[in-house]
Amino acid sequence: DADVTQTPRNRITKTGKRIMLECSQTKGHDRMYWYRQDPGLGLRLIYYSFDVKDINKGEISDGYSVSRQAQAKFSLSLESAIPNQTALYFCATSDTGSSTDTQYFGPGTRLTVL
Amino acid sequence: GEDVEQSLFLSVREGDSSVINCTYTDSSSTYLYWYKQEPGAGLQLLTYIFSNMDMKQDQRLTVLLNKKDKHLSLRIADTQTGDSAIYFCAERRGGSYIPTFGRGTSLIVHP
Repeated sequence: DADVTQTPRNRITKTGKRIMLECSQTKGHDRMYWYRQDPGLGLRLIYYSFDVKDINKGEISDGYSVSRQAQAKFSLSLESAIPNQTALYFCATSDTGSSTDTQYFGPGTRLTVL
Repeated sequence: GEDVEQSLFLSVREGDSSVINCTYTDSSSTYLYWYKQEPGAGLQLLTYIFSNMDMKQDQRLTVLLNKKDKHLSLRIADTQTGDSAIYFCAERRGGSYIPTFGRGTSLIVHP
């Protein structure tokens, strides 16, 4: 079974709709991240959380919000989706106790905003 | 600049060696990583190197680190079609727990 899961895997929505992407992990890691991937732009960090009560903005947080409902769950919301938020979204986790800070990624959610 | 730089594409013939290059930004970076993204999947850590090392070898993979030039490379020996993927270079900058990723290099392996 996958350690980091994301739902849904694919979503098509319309401009102005509210969308929530969910991430769950069974790795027992305390740190969780949301990234978006665009062709030619690589990965860009949206938000990250080092603990349940810790939420931090990444480099491109405008238009997004997050909720850390539990150590294992971290959701990303688009309050009013716009077409340039069409992208591949990845959740990742890491462990404070790891000396290498290796990140473990989910399979991604492909979001299309029409 | 602030970016981790990689070329976007590399095409090689099956059986040849592939060399993917990366330049990073922070001389105090402690760890440098190579992640692999296969089609339709998330990124997976392929290998990493600690900043006090010059080279790391793991089966078909060789990582070379030139700290003076802030240059990292990944060599894949005997490249196979299954190696076709996007390879991301990343650095863990001094004072940060979060890696900074490059834009990724698409490796295309043809027969």
